[in-house]
Amino acid sequence: TQLLEQSPQFLSIQEGENLTVYCNSSSVFSSLQWYRQEPGEGPVLLVTVVTGGEVKKLKRLTFQFGDARKDSSLHITAAQPGDTGLYLCAGAKNDKIIFGKGTRLHILP
Amino acid sequence: EPEVTQTPSHQVTQMGQEVILRCVPISNHLYFYWYRQILGQKVEFLVSFYNNEISEKSEIFDDQFSVERPDGSNFTLKIRSTKLEDSAMYFCASSVETSGYNEQFFGPGTRLTVL
Repeated sequence: TQLLEQSPQFLSIQEGENLTVYCNSSSVFSSLQWYRQEPGEGPVLLVTVVTGGEVKKLKRLTFQFGDARKDSSLHITAAQPGDTGLYLCAGAKNDKIIFGKGTRLHILP
Repeated sequence: EPEVTQTPSHQVTQMGQEVILRCVPISNHLYFYWYRQILGQKVEFLVSFYNNEISEKSEIFDDQFSVERPDGSNFTLKIRSTKLEDSAMYFCASSVETSGYNEQFFGPGTRLTVL
């Protein structure tokens, strides 16, 4: 069974702080996506990383794919209340995407 | 910006009834998918569809489930005889390709409630 483990499950920090959340697996993926999901809505794609060691930036969000393409991290600089939400990592293998359970992030104003 | 759409947003049905969930994928996408998310749990893959055929399916996707692309725009998921445990959010997704990036774009979901 291919699993993606996300940590921490929950994170509550003050506005302006930095944070990193992690996504780990024992499997190699052809690509890895990060999604954000609001309650009652579908996952919204934030970024895709493909190459081992790849780093992508989306404003204050920095995504990194591990060298072995088994893990990834999401770093948020100077978190804002608008960053509050559920962040999902998802690994692509053949036709399907395997999701982690997510990290629920709460930024306190 | 093109997006995946799904109807209905909420479907309530009695156990044992058939339901059809509808999706309109992004127009230039070639690969289509269904996922489900039981309340409080992670998003789970059900099936992928390409060139009018199922290309991959999970163990969840048993004989009670079927998919169809009845015309050039719609992609449907049918559950023949719903069970209580089928209650979940069902998400449709589509992508241009499966190799390389395999960026799948998700619809807003249909909340299925089986009574």
